[in-house]
Amino acid sequence: SQKIEQNSEALNIQEGKTATLTCNYTNYSPAYLQWYRQDPGRGPVFLLLIRENEKEKRKERLKVTFDTTLKQSLFHITASQPADSATYLCALDPTGFQKLVFGTGTRLLVSP
Amino acid sequence: KAGVTQTPRYLIKTRGQQVTLSCSPISGHRSVSWYQQTPGQGLQFLFEYFSETQRNKGNFPGRFSGRQFSNSRSEMNVSTLELGDSALYLCASSTGQGMVNTEAFFGQGTRLTVV
Repeated sequence: SQKIEQNSEALNIQEGKTATLTCNYTNYSPAYLQWYRQDPGRGPVFLLLIRENEKEKRKERLKVTFDTTLKQSLFHITASQPADSATYLCALDPTGFQKLVFGTGTRLLVSP
Repeated sequence: KAGVTQTPRYLIKTRGQQVTLSCSPISGHRSVSWYQQTPGQGLQFLFEYFSETQRNKGNFPGRFSGRQFSNSRSEMNVSTLELGDSALYLCASSTGQGMVNTEAFFGQGTRLTVV
């Protein structure tokens, strides 16, 4: 069956450290993978999109990698801050027509 | 520019009733998608509209329906509400140009509680 899996347990790290979140998928062949941030009671906010022919994408303190052989994407936040505390979701679109399939999300807690 | 607007923000309905939720996309966006988010199932795709046509539908019963108007605004309707329909309903808009995967801009959502 098709699955997108993220660490279900919360990730607790100290301010200033690098947070690494994992997204694994099964039985999909996505051309793109996206990462979103969601705060409680609010809609997800788009962070980064990475294409299958891109190994790595960066935006300020964020870095995403995409390994189509391992069927895995890693999301890194460097120099993490308490304001980075949120749930992070990975998503892919198997149809190319805005039908996003989301992982379950990983809650990140950054303590001062 | 203005973001995605969903109304109402909160709703309480009784089992068996029906409900209509509204979504105004970002100006110029022709694709509107709807998602249901619950603690147990996470974010699940309901359907997507592009230029008034439904292009994709998720695995939800026929009680869930939607439509899109010529100004790209969209509504979704749930009939014969069940307790399990209690959820955060999210709308997302994007340019949605053909087979191009683009970022989705989400609204704040409508929190529906069925009692």
